[in-house]
Amino acid sequence: QSALTQPASVSGSPGQSITISCTGTSSDVGGYNYVSWYQQHPGKAPKLMIYDVSNRPSGVSNRFSGSKSGNTASLTISGLQAEDEADYYCSSYTNSNSLVFGGGTKLTVL
Amino acid sequence: EVQLVESGGGLVQPGGSLRLSCVVSGFTFNSYNMNWVRQAPGKGLEWVSYISGSSSTIYYTDSVKGRFTISRDNAKNSLYLQMNSLRAEDTAVYYCASAGHAQWLFYYWGQGTLVTVSS
Repeated sequence: QSALTQPASVSGSPGQSITISCTGTSSDVGGYNYVSWYQQHPGKAPKLMIYDVSNRPSGVSNRFSGSKSGNTASLTISGLQAEDEADYYCSSYTNSNSLVFGGGTKLTVL
Repeated sequence: EVQLVESGGGLVQPGGSLRLSCVVSGFTFNSYNMNWVRQAPGKGLEWVSYISGSSSTIYYTDSVKGRFTISRDNAKNSLYLQMNSLRAEDTAVYYCASAGHAQWLFYYWGQGTLVTVSS
């Protein structure tokens, strides 16, 4: 199972909005609404930010939102803050009863 | 408070074996699905294996099939990963992770344990 495709890096200024894409196939992202997004700060365990494409766990800021169109899922962060600087990973269930992650995107807040 | 605490990592030679453990507290372990996720140094996340609460359903990523075995002891609130025939590419931080009854997402994570496969 190939990793989902994410941009290696994105950047934005405080207060701006950014979007991270996550492209898969009809066997994973396009076929199921089991897309999640994780935030990981250096040396820390990942944190779940979005699940089932667009749902936010309790406690996650509503500045984080998720969507999907065809084989591509997206994470949008609005009102960018310094603390949002981190690595972001998407994941999707696949038709092989497995889970595949994206390669990760490093978000830099300028 | 939910806690997942991994142990058992270390340095092992190629071809060797290691058993990871994850002790869980703060939730009803015996009904929760559990997973192992790993992260090679400086690399991205990789899902390794899944086990249902009753151990009736188990899945592995292709690269570890036949070499790794996931198991759990619900009486001890513990999850295990037996790793045999280890390769250099298995070098990673191994996390146990769960989202309770949900599948294919991870809300709870441990702090990770580092496995280094090298001669």
